[in-house]
Amino acid sequence: DAGITQSPRYKITETGRQVTLMCHQTWSHSYMFWYRQDLGHGLRLIYYSAAADITDKGEVPDGYVVSRSKTENFPLTLESATRSQTSVYFCASILSSYEQYFGPGTRLTVT
Amino acid sequence: QKEVEQNSGPLSVPEGAIASLNCTYSDRGSQSFFWYRQYSGKSPELIMFIYSNGDKEDGRFTAQLNKASQYVSLLIRDSQPSDSATYLCAVPTGNQFYFGTGTSLTVIP
Repeated sequence: DAGITQSPRYKITETGRQVTLMCHQTWSHSYMFWYRQDLGHGLRLIYYSAAADITDKGEVPDGYVVSRSKTENFPLTLESATRSQTSVYFCASILSSYEQYFGPGTRLTVT
Repeated sequence: QKEVEQNSGPLSVPEGAIASLNCTYSDRGSQSFFWYRQYSGKSPELIMFIYSNGDKEDGRFTAQLNKASQYVSLLIRDSQPSDSATYLCAVPTGNQFYFGTGTSLTVIP
């Protein structure tokens, strides 16, 4: 089915481990985004990408790395996970207008 | 000051009533405004957007924009229990989106 998929949907990891969250979209949308959602903070932008090989920081990029070698994929890596990175992570994409569409989310717990 | 602010609620309305959700934003240059609905444990889904001052209607939903006062609101007419969710206001600035923390709405049967 067309749309945005995220994997894994749930992940438990230990402090200090590297974790990669995957995002795949089938629409060929140009822009893709990574957000984290925490109680009291709402959705906060981590990184975004305007096209393949073009990425930029959002509001809360520290501790995260992204890449985008193909238009359809936008993985997010936590280089050394910390407890403060326990959150729900959403990937989103848009074509050219500002209408974002979100993936189902990944619930990450760092112990 | 946060870029986008919303009253977190919770807001409770009886079934059939009008629910009114408000959002203020800080960037006077903002041109477009979005409302998302998020059910518990689910991802946000776009329900409305508005670019021009005034009202925009889509079924039971009406978005209202007042750029001079820097606020945007969402009215839900004939509220249904299925409208119970958190409503997020989003305002893009450049290539970045800023979301409010959301208003929790409960429609009581």
